Amino acid sequence: QVRLKESGPRLVQPSQTLSVTCTVSGFSVTSYHVSWVRQPPGKGLEWVGAIWKGGSTDYNSALKSRLSISRDTSKNQVFLKMNSLQTDDTGTYYCAKHGEGYNPDYFDYWGQGVMVTVSS
Amino acid sequence: DIQMTQSPASLSASLGETVTIECRASEDIYNGLAWYQQKPGKSPQLLIYNANSLHTGVPSRFSGSGSGTQYSLKINSLQSEDVASYFCQQYYDYPFTFGSGTKLEIK
Repeated sequence: QVRLKESGPRLVQPSQTLSVTCTVSGFSVTSYHVSWVRQPPGKGLEWVGAIWKGGSTDYNSALKSRLSISRDTSKNQVFLKMNSLQTDDTGTYYCAKHGEGYNPDYFDYWGQGVMVTVSS
Repeated sequence: DIQMTQSPASLSASLGETVTIECRASEDIYNGLAWYQQKPGKSPQLLIYNANSLHTGVPSRFSGSGSGTQYSLKINSLQSEDVASYFCQQYYDYPFTFGSGTKLEIK
């Protein structure tokens, strides 16, 4: 059974760094791509970035200078780090598994998300 | 970036009705289009991928269609459990982008 679960702090101070961990089960992060998607309260979805099954990464250019996505294949975990947080970074951060096929960049399974508030 | 314009922003329909939600891409996305359902307080769930392929376990009253820049999600025989927000997503090009969402309510 495919599962993804995010863990991380619920409150981060402005200008600090957010670190979120996505622990997956039911598939290997070396076999499927994993993305991060965020959602401000009451608003829409924004793709943050992805780590491909081969280990390379791609980031949303709007966030690229502040982002780092990495993984630990031995633990089947993916990590998101975002620095210089501001209040408009407040929202729910999801990790999501990519699908299959010739164009697998849709998200067939999502974690429950972690709600992060940026506030002093 | 490819812009996804989704309409309507909200929709109210009766049980048993058929509803349609539309997404227009700012350029051809060659069927790289997915639809998601998000219930309040929950994470998004995949409904449709590749514009018209039904994800495993999704009821057959959901269907997707379209090509080029115009895509739609149709829900036949609306059920109470379909109350949710619906989002489209293009994955033809980076950055992957989403529509602004449609909030579906029951009359």
